[in-house]
Amino acid sequence: DAKTTQPTSMDCAEGRAANLPCNHSTISGNEYVYWYRQIHSQGPQYIIHGLKNNETNEMASLIITEDRKSSTLILPHATLRDTAVYYCIVRDMNRDDKIIFGKGTRLHILP
Amino acid sequence: EPEVTQTPSHQVTQMGQEVILHCVPISNHLYFYWYRQILGQKVEFLVSFYNNEISEKSEIFDDQFSVERPDGSNFTLKIRSTKLEDSAMYFCASSEEGTGRDIQYFGAGTRLSVL
Repeated sequence: DAKTTQPTSMDCAEGRAANLPCNHSTISGNEYVYWYRQIHSQGPQYIIHGLKNNETNEMASLIITEDRKSSTLILPHATLRDTAVYYCIVRDMNRDDKIIFGKGTRLHILP
Repeated sequence: EPEVTQTPSHQVTQMGQEVILHCVPISNHLYFYWYRQILGQKVEFLVSFYNNEISEKSEIFDDQFSVERPDGSNFTLKIRSTKLEDSAMYFCASSEEGTGRDIQYFGAGTRLSVL
């Protein structure tokens, strides 16, 4: 089973920042937080990952709380093409680690 | 940007027939995976493969399924005798290291329709 909890769905206005929360209260010190998204049955697309520190790339920012029990994915300027299911996943850094997908958050970007 | 390539994009087959789904992982990657997603459901892990051996397989990956790396670039999933319930999207993924430190990249998928 997935070790994360996410809201089932969220709405965000186009052009605004989309903030997607994730709870991973049982995360261990060896586990990364990963975010993927899936646009309408396409293959899951990697977005970002982090261990302790906040991370930013060209797609998004990842904010991880100090106790590492939760995180937020931020899409700074959401567009209609960001409409997708977003998956928050924890993965062990040392093991040959399959990805266990939960149900994710269905993000609707509203025009 | 390197990508995982899957063919065909859509495969239609009759129940009981054998199908082979094809994947070309990213060239310097050593770890390979198959996942499936039944319509409206979660993405599920099927099998991982490294060094010409299965590393791990799920309960879904029964004797009807097999994987192979027939040459230096291809990675295939074979379903020997397809059932209606095998209808799903099948995704191939690959990674360089195979641990949680490393990103798994996914292909666009093959939609398998069993009639």
